[in-house]
Amino acid sequence: AQKITQTQPGMFVQEKEAVTLDCTYDTSDPSYGLFWYKQPSSGEMIFLIYQGSYDQQNATEGRYSLNFQKARKSANLVISASQLGDSAMYFCAMRKNYGGSQGNLIFGKGTKLSVKP
Amino acid sequence: DVKVTQSSRYLVKRTGEKVFLECVQDMDHENMFWYRQDPGLGLRLIYFSYDVKMKEKGDIPEGYSVSREKKERFSLILESASTNQTSMYLCASSRGQGAGNNSPLHFGNGTRLTVT
Repeated sequence: AQKITQTQPGMFVQEKEAVTLDCTYDTSDPSYGLFWYKQPSSGEMIFLIYQGSYDQQNATEGRYSLNFQKARKSANLVISASQLGDSAMYFCAMRKNYGGSQGNLIFGKGTKLSVKP
Repeated sequence: DVKVTQSSRYLVKRTGEKVFLECVQDMDHENMFWYRQDPGLGLRLIYFSYDVKMKEKGDIPEGYSVSREKKERFSLILESASTNQTSMYLCASSRGQGAGNNSPLHFGNGTRLTVT
């Protein structure tokens, strides 16, 4: 069965420092996609970054980068130069083939990041 | 920008009531989803739909049903609400199967349902 594991329930980081949020996954599919979402206290889920299993390079989007280590089945999110507005829950997710139809994501339990001024 | 709108931000219902949660998306997406979010459990899929009138059970469909009569609208129905259905409900949409693995889910703002 496919599974996403986020082992850090909560983390603190000093403003302007970099932080890494861990994510490991388990799948037997050769083709899959990995996503990170941010959920501020207001509740909306914001898509941050995507990594495909066949992508040769690590994905980057502004201050977000994904440290993809395929052999270790890890897809850690790196946030550079943390800002107070980065305080939120962060979810790692994987695209799953479900019932013959692609689309569904399975999610980890999340990591709560708190940025200290 | 994709907009996914959930009809209610907060809802309070009594045990045994029939509850409707409505979701509308404006980007002509084929796929629509209902997730439930609980502290420490992350997001769990209740149902999803990949076409009008089509639905598939997710990981926790018990106690729920869905309806998709139009492409843009996906409704979650709690046939007889119970206190263990108190939760945050998130609707999402995405492009269909042909869009490829990198098509993200776009979420609504969520409905926080309390069943008393």
